[in-house]
Amino acid sequence: SAVISQKPSRDICQRGTSLTIQCQVDSQVTMMFWYRQQPGQSLTLIATANQGSEATYESGFVIDKFPISRPNLTFSTLTVSNMSPEDSSIYLCSIKAGVTDTQYFGPGTRLTVL
Amino acid sequence: AQSVTQPDIHITVSEGASLELRCNYSYGATPYLFWYVQSPGQGLQLLLKYFSGDTLVQGIKGFEAEFKRSQSSFNLRKPSVHWSDAAEYFCAVGQNYKLSFGAGTTVTVRA
Repeated sequence: SAVISQKPSRDICQRGTSLTIQCQVDSQVTMMFWYRQQPGQSLTLIATANQGSEATYESGFVIDKFPISRPNLTFSTLTVSNMSPEDSSIYLCSIKAGVTDTQYFGPGTRLTVL
Repeated sequence: AQSVTQPDIHITVSEGASLELRCNYSYGATPYLFWYVQSPGQGLQLLLKYFSGDTLVQGIKGFEAEFKRSQSSFNLRKPSVHWSDAAEYFCAVGQNYKLSFGAGTTVTVRA
């Protein structure tokens, strides 16, 4: 399977600031996804990022808060804007593999907002 | 809308004992079914998946899962647990290329 990396692996940020998380894949993929995992919780899909088109956001997530870029088939970024302590979570990117719904995940970015 | 239920929030098992984690889903058709494991401080690793065919699927690390259509279940099993199996386990259902995750089951392994 593809190798997926994320940067940074963790960060501590001040409220009101923004953080951009990078997701890099070692092969070309059509579909990439961004998830949020709040402390002690399961994963919630934020948005689907397709190359060449706007990201598709899930209910409860908006582009102004979580802008996403997908400049090519191996890279995507998620920005967490105007952060508050409630944004403290692990953010994970994933890729869709093959014709099924199988997804492989990056190692995650652990974000703490003070 | 589809949903995934993992009834057990936390399971403690002795090393060497067997383990079974329950997963039930609600979906009109047979969905794609997955089990992922998340070790502390790590991302998610795919253990196994079911799409069709043989209802007993084998995965990595000695895990297997059985799909039972009549019970809408996809339970994960391991005959003999190792201390390294202590982790969070997530069941997921795939529909239209998206995954919906259960709440997760935390497995603690005692010596």
